[in-house]
Amino acid sequence: GAGVSQTPSNKVTEKGKYVELRCDPISGHTALYWYRQSLGQGPEFLIYFQGTGAADDSGLPNDRFFAVRPEGSVSTLKIQRTERGDSAVYLCASSPLGGRDTQYFGPGTRLTVL
Amino acid sequence: GNSVTQMEGPVTLSEEAFLTINCTYTATGYPSLFWYVQYPGEGLQLLLKATKADDKGSNKGFEATYRKETTSFHLEKGSVQVSDSAVYFCALTVPQGAQKLVFGQGTRLTINP
Repeated sequence: GAGVSQTPSNKVTEKGKYVELRCDPISGHTALYWYRQSLGQGPEFLIYFQGTGAADDSGLPNDRFFAVRPEGSVSTLKIQRTERGDSAVYLCASSPLGGRDTQYFGPGTRLTVL
Repeated sequence: GNSVTQMEGPVTLSEEAFLTINCTYTATGYPSLFWYVQYPGEGLQLLLKATKADDKGSNKGFEATYRKETTSFHLEKGSVQVSDSAVYFCALTVPQGAQKLVFGQGTRLTINP
């Protein structure tokens, strides 16, 4: 079956602009995670959804970052007033029920803020 | 807090060499431990996992044993191939709340023919 997909694969924007990054999880997976991977580092947790609700947003770095999952499937990560330090690969993962289930990762969106 | 420390890379080996990539962790409670692999141009894939002390995870000739006494989960393979060239990430989850993954910084492995 289809894996986790993310669009766009690459996004270049200018400092101060607004961007949206999309994640399509594996069909039927209720748990969805966003991570951010800076160059040469491991991914860092941003936010976790269980169904439609953000169950844990403790990893969001500040209030410029926001994510939604209105119907419990597709999720959108939104970044306002982008800064150069936001440049990274944004990864999405889903798992069947969360908890100890394996997380399956998408290919990521590479965001570059000029 | 929870953290993972990996052997610094890059690591370069010849084909058929023995591989060890060290990983140690700090965690509250009893974490589950993982190795993820990122092949060139591809997304992160789960390589193996272990959920309790003394468990051994294995896949594709790779092995790692959950050592609670040394808080370690070292990755090993007896004979590496060129196709094993990738970035390897050690990670943990703790059994509370979101069970988000906490990753090490990654180790880039290059295997030369």
